[in-house]
Amino acid sequence: GAGVSQTPSNKVTEKGKYVELRCDPISGHTALYWYRQSLGQGPEFLIYFQGTGAADDSGLPNDRFFAVRPEGSVSTLKIQRTERGDSAVYLCASSLGASGRRGELFFGEGSRLTVL
Amino acid sequence: KNEVEQSPQNLTAQEGEFITINCSYSVGISALHWLQQHPGGGIVSLFMLSSGKKKHGRLIATINIQEKHSSLHITASHPRDSAVYICATGFGGSQGNLIFGKGTKLSVKP
Repeated sequence: GAGVSQTPSNKVTEKGKYVELRCDPISGHTALYWYRQSLGQGPEFLIYFQGTGAADDSGLPNDRFFAVRPEGSVSTLKIQRTERGDSAVYLCASSLGASGRRGELFFGEGSRLTVL
Repeated sequence: KNEVEQSPQNLTAQEGEFITINCSYSVGISALHWLQQHPGGGIVSLFMLSSGKKKHGRLIATINIQEKHSSLHITASHPRDSAVYICATGFGGSQGNLIFGKGTKLSVKP
């Protein structure tokens, strides 16, 4: 597609439920990033993929969070046993590569998750 | 851990004014990003720089590696420049593992 696409744009769920958030990066972009932004705060890094593998998952807050990118394009962020504190906008970005000018980031519109 | 501080937190300007937003960080970095976020959440990358100065239209970004400081300047500001401007720093080993500032909310009045 022309840009980074994220679905759903809004998700409301109940505490304890399982949620999947999808990111479709720009075609040809090998690097994909997930960030989380709470209200009034700057984004926080969650995980970064280079191709199919997670190159850096040090930002995942705990083992309820998991992300995959099985074919090196679309990525899914999975959250188990959701908690109210997980409510945030989940941002996905992609880049052509991971360094230099190829590292310029292109962001999706985000998925707003609300846990009741 | 790198700390990224932005100033000011909020900025109101009159149309046409020259605007400066500052970003300071505490640890050496490989790249610094300036991002623009409009209401509704969409983020656009404005600049990625590791040294010197870059210019794009009315926007200028500078970085001083020795002083660990970067500035974003907007010349001839316009109401459509109203947005949150975010500074983020990256490290060579994992360029996507960015540390973000809290943002500067800019409002340009006509």
